[in-house]
Amino acid sequence: DTEVTQTPKHLVMGMTNKKSLKCEQHMGHRAMYWYKQKAKKPPELMFVYSYEKLSINESVPSRFSPECPNSSLLNLHLHALQPEDSALYLCASSRQGPPETQYFGPGTRLLVL
Amino acid sequence: SQQGEEDPQALSIQEGENATMNCSYKTSINNLQWYRQNSGRGLVHLILIRSNEREKHSGRLRVTLDTSKKSSSLLITASRAADTASYFCATADSNDYKLSFGAGTTVTVRA
Repeated sequence: DTEVTQTPKHLVMGMTNKKSLKCEQHMGHRAMYWYKQKAKKPPELMFVYSYEKLSINESVPSRFSPECPNSSLLNLHLHALQPEDSALYLCASSRQGPPETQYFGPGTRLLVL
Repeated sequence: SQQGEEDPQALSIQEGENATMNCSYKTSINNLQWYRQNSGRGLVHLILIRSNEREKHSGRLRVTLDTSKKSSSLLITASRAADTASYFCATADSNDYKLSFGAGTTVTVRA
């Protein structure tokens, strides 16, 4: 299995909702990442987990809460988001931590109303 | 944070022609990577070139790296319609190894 899967593909949520994004890989990779990508912009790093421990948090607002339950799974819990948080959220993994090649999932397109 | 600047922002070529795009960056790097993204989907890794390498090939792709000028180029030879996509360079910082993406080049290959 050489892919990263993300669910859901699309998500619409209100500003008072709580939702979660899920990412999974079965390549035995030990690092996993969350990126945020706005339309026509490059991906921006949010979080890095290395060996199931949070190693990088790019000063992301607390309404985004990452979780790594095991080496194959990465979640992003969302609460009280703002409309400007609408974006494509990409998950990636790499064999070891950065700076290795990253394998990206197809993303979750999030719309906050 | 965005470190790389890419040039041009957009490129339109005929099928069979070559496409060249450039990336410049600011800080010291461990490696530089190129990714492709098709229309709002996930990124696909194309090639990684380390800071001590000058040129690398993979199929129809050729990447060069000039660390003295802090620049890289990606050449796609004999382009196909399926090469239509956005191409991003990404630099891995030599201190914290974080990957920072450039603004991207949008390539359109006309049939």
